[in-house]
Amino acid sequence: QKEVEQDPGPLSVPEGAIVSLNCTYSNSAFQYFMWYRQYSRKGPELLMYTYSSGNKEDGRFTAQVDKSSKYISLFIRDSQPSDSATYLCAMKGGGSNYKLTFGKGTLLTVNP
Amino acid sequence: GAVVSQHPSWVICKSGTSVKIECRSLDFQATTMFWYRQFPKQSLMLMATSNEGSKATYEQGVEKDKFLINHASLTLSTLTVTSAHPEDSSFYICSVPDTGGGDIQYFGAGTRLSVL
Repeated sequence: QKEVEQDPGPLSVPEGAIVSLNCTYSNSAFQYFMWYRQYSRKGPELLMYTYSSGNKEDGRFTAQVDKSSKYISLFIRDSQPSDSATYLCAMKGGGSNYKLTFGKGTLLTVNP
Repeated sequence: GAVVSQHPSWVICKSGTSVKIECRSLDFQATTMFWYRQFPKQSLMLMATSNEGSKATYEQGVEKDKFLINHASLTLSTLTVTSAHPEDSSFYICSVPDTGGGDIQYFGAGTRLSVL
């Protein structure tokens, strides 16, 4: 079993739809959870960063963490064509260990 | 957030030659930087941790003699792919951890390496 599992998609939705992206993980040591957006042939861009279980909202984006189920989600409301990208979940343990473990990424296309 | 500059964005080279990729932290000094490799439709895989003033730390399975890392200053790390072969063709990305504890990493735009 991989440490982080993410459905690679692809996922295609109409403009304005609510998008749900998910990752599961197996390592209980993960304490920090991130979502990155990566456009084609570009480096990842940090979207959301959470530490504890619960929800965190930033504009049209909501990150949800359920540590008891080892499950994280990213919701995108009122999706736009500019949201079309690959979304990567990433996790890390605590302390001075900087190492990030990434999911495979989900390719999202929002159709106008 | 940090601004990370990576150069070049795309390089094509002949098999057997060496290629150097630069990663610069423009906003703050970084004692640590990271190098990742990403194959098409795959996730980012950490190759090595670049440490200013000391040797890089390589992940299991990454050949240190093939992927030379030099953290020349607090704002610059370089990755040299030596004697490149077609199987080394990939997307190489560097990152810099934030100064508030390193929980967040800021990524460069990446370098696409094509080895003919």
